[in-house]
Amino acid sequence: GAVVSQHPSRVICKSGTSVKIECRSLDFQATTMFWYRQFPKQSLMLMATSNEGSKATYEQGVEKDKFLINHASLTLSTLTVTSAHPEDSSFYICSAKTAVGSNYGYTFGSGTRLTVV
Amino acid sequence: QKEVEQDPGPLSVPEGAIVSLNCTYSNSAFQYFMWYRQYSRKGPELLMYTYSSGNKEDGRFTAQVDKSSKYISLFIRDSQPSDSATYLCAMRGGSNYKLTFGKGTLLTVNP
Repeated sequence: GAVVSQHPSRVICKSGTSVKIECRSLDFQATTMFWYRQFPKQSLMLMATSNEGSKATYEQGVEKDKFLINHASLTLSTLTVTSAHPEDSSFYICSAKTAVGSNYGYTFGSGTRLTVV
Repeated sequence: QKEVEQDPGPLSVPEGAIVSLNCTYSNSAFQYFMWYRQYSRKGPELLMYTYSSGNKEDGRFTAQVDKSSKYISLFIRDSQPSDSATYLCAMRGGSNYKLTFGKGTLLTVNP
């Protein structure tokens, strides 16, 4: 089955620094990837949609200069949290659109827990 | 009104019980319905995927969609302690690939 590998699983960084999160599709080509943020006991909130080779589309209220998304290849998408602050601490998850029979499903990475101190 | 409503629980059942999880939604454009299971601090994994109305069965899991009532359900038969997790419903429209998630229901199956 389709596998999305997400790294790192946990990261602690100092306030003001930047953190990069990687998502790789291991056995398929991911033309579209989604980036989510999840707060404790809350649902997944879509941050942005990235298509390979083009600029990401950000959801309303998400700062595109703060959350930089790059989808330069069919197997790799990255999310960089720039100038991180404690309020950016959260669980970040990527997802790739994958084929499910004649339709599409979504395979998720294992998530990255970011703690900004 | 939120697009997708899901009771967050928590729900605690004894091993072997039948579990019923539900979501309601307001957007009539939703056509594809999914249930995901998420263990603590992990990414969601797809359990069931249903298009339009009807039932779908996979092992101990049955997904039901009633589009006329805008109501979807997931049934788990013979529940096991390993089923303890958060269950998220998700749905999308026909041409829109963005998923809208429920809040998730935390399920604990006690041995």
